[in-house]
Amino acid sequence: KAGVTQTPRYLIKTRGQQVTLSCSPISGHRSVSWYQQTPGQGLQFLFEYFSETQRNKGNFPGRFSGRQFSNSRSEMNVSTLELGDSALYLCASSTGTGGNQETQYFGPGTRLLVL
Amino acid sequence: AQKITQTQPGMFVQEKEAVTLDCTYDTSDPSYGLFWYKQPSSGEMIFLIYQGSYDQQNATEGRYSLNFQKARKSANLVISASQLGDSAMYFCAMTYYNNNDMRFGAGTRLTVKP
Repeated sequence: KAGVTQTPRYLIKTRGQQVTLSCSPISGHRSVSWYQQTPGQGLQFLFEYFSETQRNKGNFPGRFSGRQFSNSRSEMNVSTLELGDSALYLCASSTGTGGNQETQYFGPGTRLLVL
Repeated sequence: AQKITQTQPGMFVQEKEAVTLDCTYDTSDPSYGLFWYKQPSSGEMIFLIYQGSYDQQNATEGRYSLNFQKARKSANLVISASQLGDSAMYFCAMTYYNNNDMRFGAGTRLTVKP
């Protein structure tokens, strides 16, 4: 079974621009969660999508948004980029039905650099 | 608030020896899941092992075992027979309140010496 895939793997943007990251979950998984990883803040939960609906949301500003398509693929968008948005963005997929008992499987991440 | 604490920023272990990575957590929710992930320099988070809060026995997955002490709220990862490829960052994580909002510790960087 293919793992979680993320595109692009690397991205360089300038302040004020917007960016869209994509995540394709493991086949059969309906939940996609997004995380931001920075040296200063560590790993932080952004949001989770399940069956095309945002099910949980972390403590990030509205510039961070996402969506999920009917095939469970998910996109994350960051508008008006700031220098502090430079990070590794990881997405994780799971079946979405096991609550806190289910394992999330992560993709390779997208490294975003904002100049 | 739910919190995960990993007190060892870095650890060294000799190849073929066992090593224990510490993790403590704080939650008032009786239902939660505990996870360990490995992150090599490439960045991908690799799932290692899971322990549910109601599980009676400690979880094991190959060379990985989780020393779960519920009363002490600790979930230490034990890696037996360390290999050079085990050198990486290791994260302890928790989910709770029946959702996928996973909280991570700060991580421990493990270096395996030949």
